[in-house]
Amino acid sequence: DQQVKQNSPSLSVQEGRISILNCDYTNSMFDYFLWYKKYPAEGPTFLISISSIKDKNEDGRFTVFLNKSAKHLSLHIVPSQPGDSAVYFCAASGTGSARQLTFGSGTQLTVLP
Amino acid sequence: GAGVSQSPRYKVAKRGQDVALRCDPISGHVSLFWYQQALGQGPEFLTYFQNEAQLDKSGLPSDRFFAERPEGSVSTLKIQRTQQEDSAVYLCASSLTVAGPTNIQYFGAGTRLSVL
Repeated sequence: DQQVKQNSPSLSVQEGRISILNCDYTNSMFDYFLWYKKYPAEGPTFLISISSIKDKNEDGRFTVFLNKSAKHLSLHIVPSQPGDSAVYFCAASGTGSARQLTFGSGTQLTVLP
Repeated sequence: GAGVSQSPRYKVAKRGQDVALRCDPISGHVSLFWYQQALGQGPEFLTYFQNEAQLDKSGLPSDRFFAERPEGSVSTLKIQRTQQEDSAVYLCASSLTVAGPTNIQYFGAGTRLSVL
């Protein structure tokens, strides 16, 4: 059973508009959430994170929102740029002694010029 | 080095062959993780080291998988008698401190293993 789900395998957005990527989780023990961006043939690159004690974290064009009651988080990118085109992974930690990351299956974002 | 380095980048193995994958973490990073990423999926946890101690190996899929980090720096993931289902990208990640609530893991580019 997938504990972290990204239900949209792909998303296309026009340059300059907002991109919204969604993620749902089932394990209430998760207490820290991260977004990673991955370009082809590269490893995942950390983008932004949020602790479960917060409901919003902002870093430049990127904002992550957390709704604990709905077990849902989203990543907003404003404005979207062609260089943002990549696979975005949602990840959660808080279970296991290693606090290993549990990943979703990713969303391919394409920003059209 | 500046980031996590993994080698080789690509490995083709015949079924039944043993392989060794290397990870060189960011200098000074205490924690080291191995993940396996199947095609079209997110990475899945394999094992965790704090310095040289392997504290969690709950994600290793079988006893054919073995990992070590003898001096608390470079780590090697070894797969014995490879099977076709072992084909995946193997990612290594490191983080600065021991496993904690807000640790950020930094990933290498991975080793793509293809078992024929």
